[in-house]
Amino acid sequence: AQSVTQPDIHITVSEGASLELRCNYSYGATPYLFWYVQSPGQGLQLLLKYFSGDTLVQGIKGFEAEFKRSQSSFNLRKPSVHWSDAAEYFCAVGPTYGNKLVFGAGTILRVKS
Amino acid sequence: DTAVSQTPKYLVTQMGNDKSIKCEQNLGHDTMYWYKQDSKKFLKIMFSYNNKELIINETVPNRFSPKSPDKAHLNLHINSLELGDSAVYFCASSPQGSYEQYFGPGTRLTVT
Repeated sequence: AQSVTQPDIHITVSEGASLELRCNYSYGATPYLFWYVQSPGQGLQLLLKYFSGDTLVQGIKGFEAEFKRSQSSFNLRKPSVHWSDAAEYFCAVGPTYGNKLVFGAGTILRVKS
Repeated sequence: DTAVSQTPKYLVTQMGNDKSIKCEQNLGHDTMYWYKQDSKKFLKIMFSYNNKELIINETVPNRFSPKSPDKAHLNLHINSLELGDSAVYFCASSPQGSYEQYFGPGTRLTVT
């Protein structure tokens, strides 16, 4: 069955430091992969997506992610974190039946000044 | 320009009541979804409609009934509300042939 694992429930980084959020997936074919961000009290916003082609994808707000098939991973990175990046981040894989996406449990990012 | 909108944003009600949440998207998308996000922030799909046709119906109590009057709207009606229904409900939509989903701001339902 398709699944997504985000091993880190919480991550704290200093403002200006680099960030990497981990995502591992289980999927029977070539996956479509997504990262979403949810700020407190808000809906989910699409940060970036991977469908095919270049395995390093660029997204909004200076984020990027790298698809590594051999490791079944799609880790999210940012070279320099800003305080406004504090939020919860969700990785998702699909499609499954009915075009459904399967979401990970999320990683809460805290940014300290 | 609101892409996916939901009303109301907050809903506080008592057990046993019936309530509805409305969702509208102006993106021209063909597929719409309802998700439930529980207190642990776990996001679980409930329903999906494509061009007004139900295509996903996860294991959700019969008290939940979605209705799609047209492809821009997907409403969620909940009968006989229970304490365990308290959660944030998100509507989302996606274009035909694409799997990226665009989410509404959520409706926080509190059942007392």
